[in-house]
Amino acid sequence: QSALTQPASVSGSPGQSITISCTGTSSDVGGYNYVSWYQQHPGKAPKLMIYDVSNRPSGVSNRFSGSKSGNTASLTISGLQAEDEADYYCSSYTSSSTLEFGGGTKLTVL
Amino acid sequence: QVQLVQSGAEVKKPGASVKVSCKASGYTFTSYAMHWVRQAPGQRLEWMGWINAGNGNTKYSQKFQGRVTITRDTSASTAYMELSSLRSEDTAVYYCARAYCSGGSCYKRGLTNWGQGTLVTVSS
Repeated sequence: QSALTQPASVSGSPGQSITISCTGTSSDVGGYNYVSWYQQHPGKAPKLMIYDVSNRPSGVSNRFSGSKSGNTASLTISGLQAEDEADYYCSSYTSSSTLEFGGGTKLTVL
Repeated sequence: QVQLVQSGAEVKKPGASVKVSCKASGYTFTSYAMHWVRQAPGQRLEWMGWINAGNGNTKYSQKFQGRVTITRDTSASTAYMELSSLRSEDTAVYYCARAYCSGGSCYKRGLTNWGQGTLVTVSS
């Protein structure tokens, strides 16, 4: 199994929107609606932001949204805020009945 | 509230084994899958495996197959992850994480509660 492919870094200014992509294959991202996204601040445990491609857990801001097209899932953050600066990881269920994480994307708020 | 409290940091020599515990509280332990994820310094999250806390069934990443064993003690609401034949590349923070929901397909759907992490250092 290979890690899902994410851009190493993205950046945006406060108030702007950014999108992070997560590319897999038909054996993971494309084959199931079980993509999740995590936010991780330095030295902290990850936090679930999106599950089942586009659902937000209770308490997560509606500025965070998820979608999927084919083998690529996306996380969009609108109205960027300074506290959104963090690492973001996608994850998908796979045809091997396992989970796979992406390589991670560092978001910088300029 | 849901809490996952992990055991403390460990230092091990190459070739040794380590066993990390994860004590759960605030929910019915046997109703939720528990996953283990690790993160080497400056590296990505890496999924290791999961256990059905109800029946004890497990599934491991192919990368760790044969070296990792995940178990649970329902009487203590505690999950364990043991990794053997340690090498320097196993130096990482190891996390337990609970599935988002209870039920048959929930282990696939996201990890909502995480332990604080346990640093395992492998060094001669």
